[in-house]
This record gives sequence, C-alpha cells and structure tokens, in this order.
Amino acid sequence: GAVVSQHPSRVICKSGTSVKIECRSLDFQATTMFWYRQFPKQSLMLMATSNEGSKATYEQGVEKDKFLINHASLTLSTLTVTSAHPEDSSFYICSARGGRGIAKNIQYFGAGTRLSVL
Amino acid sequence: SQKIEQNSEALNIQEGKTATLTCNYTNYSPAYLQWYRQDPGRGPVFLLLIRENEKEKRKERLKVTFDTTLKQSLFHITASQPADSATYLCAPQGGYSGGYQKVTFGIGTKLQVIP
Repeated sequence: GAVVSQHPSRVICKSGTSVKIECRSLDFQATTMFWYRQFPKQSLMLMATSNEGSKATYEQGVEKDKFLINHASLTLSTLTVTSAHPEDSSFYICSARGGRGIAKNIQYFGAGTRLSVL
Repeated sequence: SQKIEQNSEALNIQEGKTATLTCNYTNYSPAYLQWYRQDPGRGPVFLLLIRENEKEKRKERLKVTFDTTLKQSLFHITASQPADSATYLCAPQGGYSGGYQKVTFGIGTKLQVIP
C-alpha cells in the first residue's frame, strides 16, 4: 500500500509555543490530505480537509487560526498548532489519498504525532 | 444525524476461531464502506473497501459483508492469530468536506486473540 510519513512522532512543548507537524506522501501524489485528532478510547475526529494549493476546509468547531494547515505540494501538508495549551494535548494523525475511481476514497494514514503540552 | 455503532466492548476470542465484528449505521446510505485496523499509538491501516452493490468481499483471511437493507457491515477474520489483536474501525462514506466525500470513522472494536 501507499506510504505516508508523519513527523515528529512525539513532541513535548511548553504552553504558549507553536508546534509544526509534517505529513508526506512518499510514493504517490496526494490530491487530498486530512488531519484528525484522537483522544484516548475515542474515534478519529476529522479536523480539516486540504487540497493541494487551496485553503483547508475546517470542520465545525475547529479553530482555523489555532490549527494552521498548509498543503503546498501534492506530497506535503503541515499542521501548525499555534500557542499550544494543555487542552491541545492529543494524538494527531494525518492521512492522504490519491488514485482514481473508487480507489480515491481509500485513505493512507501516517503513524500519528503524540502532542503533550506542559 | 449520521451515527455509526460498533461493539464498543472488547471482543476476546481463542486463537484459530473466527472473529466477527459488527458495524451498524443509521440515518444515511453510504455508497461504500471501509474497514481499517489501528494498533495502539499508531495511525489506522486500510484493510478492505466494499461498495453498496457488493454483498461480500474477501482478502486472504478477511471477509466483509455489506447489507444495505439492515444498514450493517460484518467483518470476519478466520483462523484468527494473536497478531490480529488490534482495534478495527468501520468507516462508511459520509458527507462532504473540501469538495470531496469524506469518511466517518466508528469508535472501533478492540479484538484480543488469546493464544
């Protein structure tokens, strides 16, 4: 299957700092990338969808000024958590999809980033 | 509103037996449904996609059924192995985001295969 690389895998930061998470599709061009957040024992919650070269579409309740998403190329999307606070501590996962026909609906996920804000 | 239900309780089965996981959805009619596997602290891994006009799909020891009348999908793992222990996520197609169809994930069922 397609490979999506996500970095860093874990980050610990102080409250008020900004954290950038990178998501790269290694062997395919990702027309669409997604960012999810997952709390323990809960389902994946979609935060935003981004298409290469255009602004991200944020889900209701997700602050776009707090979670900045950049999808500059067909293989790279970044999520920046600005002025992070302890309540932002969570598991952030990106996914990417490309392909044609029904295959374009399959999402390939990164390994996730565990963010801990002190 | 759209709702996905998976057996949220953990499912424990003996090695070698068939594990059957259930996914029920309400208030919409997805054109396709996917199943993913998620290990602790990792991102989900795609397993199978089944379309609404397909009753059953197989891949090695995995089998998925899709009953659009019952609004239910069943996920089977035959000859289960301890390495199959993980959380399995049901993901029916649903809604749109950014101009594309998005997938909604269930909470998952944690499967534990006992040696």
